[in-house]
Amino acid sequence: QKEVEQNSGPLSVPEGAIASLNCTYSDRGSQSFFWYRQYSGKSPELIMFIYSNGDKEDGRFTAQLNKASQYVSLLIRDSQPSDSATYLCAVLRGSYKLIFGSGTRLLVRP
Amino acid sequence: GAVVSQHPSWVICKSGTSVKIECRSLDFQATTMFWYRQFPKQSLMLMATSNEGSKATYEQGVEKDKFLINHASLTLSTLTVTSAHPEDSSFYICSARRPGTGVRRDQPQHFGDGTRLSIL
Repeated sequence: QKEVEQNSGPLSVPEGAIASLNCTYSDRGSQSFFWYRQYSGKSPELIMFIYSNGDKEDGRFTAQLNKASQYVSLLIRDSQPSDSATYLCAVLRGSYKLIFGSGTRLLVRP
Repeated sequence: GAVVSQHPSWVICKSGTSVKIECRSLDFQATTMFWYRQFPKQSLMLMATSNEGSKATYEQGVEKDKFLINHASLTLSTLTVTSAHPEDSSFYICSARRPGTGVRRDQPQHFGDGTRLSIL
């Protein structure tokens, strides 16, 4: 079992829709979770981080964490074509080591 | 602006060549840097953790004699791919940890822009 799992996609949504990206993790002791966006050929860019159960909103992005079920999700409201990218879920191991999922490719259709 | 600089951004070379990639922290001293490798349509895989003034810690399955890491100063870590072969072609990304901030759960690492390595 991979430590961090994501559906590879692609997830295709029309412009203006809500995109929902999911991630599960295996280490029940994990405390901090991150969503990165990665455009093709570029390095990851931090979108959101969350470490408390529940929802955390930042603009069009909402991260959701459920530690009991060991999943993290990212909602993107009013999706734009520029949101088309691969979204990587990452879990912090220890104080600074990041373990990444394989990423979900999001396609936003104009 | 960028806080971690990686150079070069693109390398194409012949099989058997050794290639050095540099990672610099621009406005802070990084006691710890990380090297990742990413194959097409796959995730970032941590190769090694580079600690200033000491030997790097390699992840399982990564050949330390193949991927030489040097972290001789607080702002520079280098990754040398020795005797590179086509299967080493990949996207290599470094990151740096900003120290002195305790457990920075909101930004544990700052990433460089990556180096695309193509071995012919």
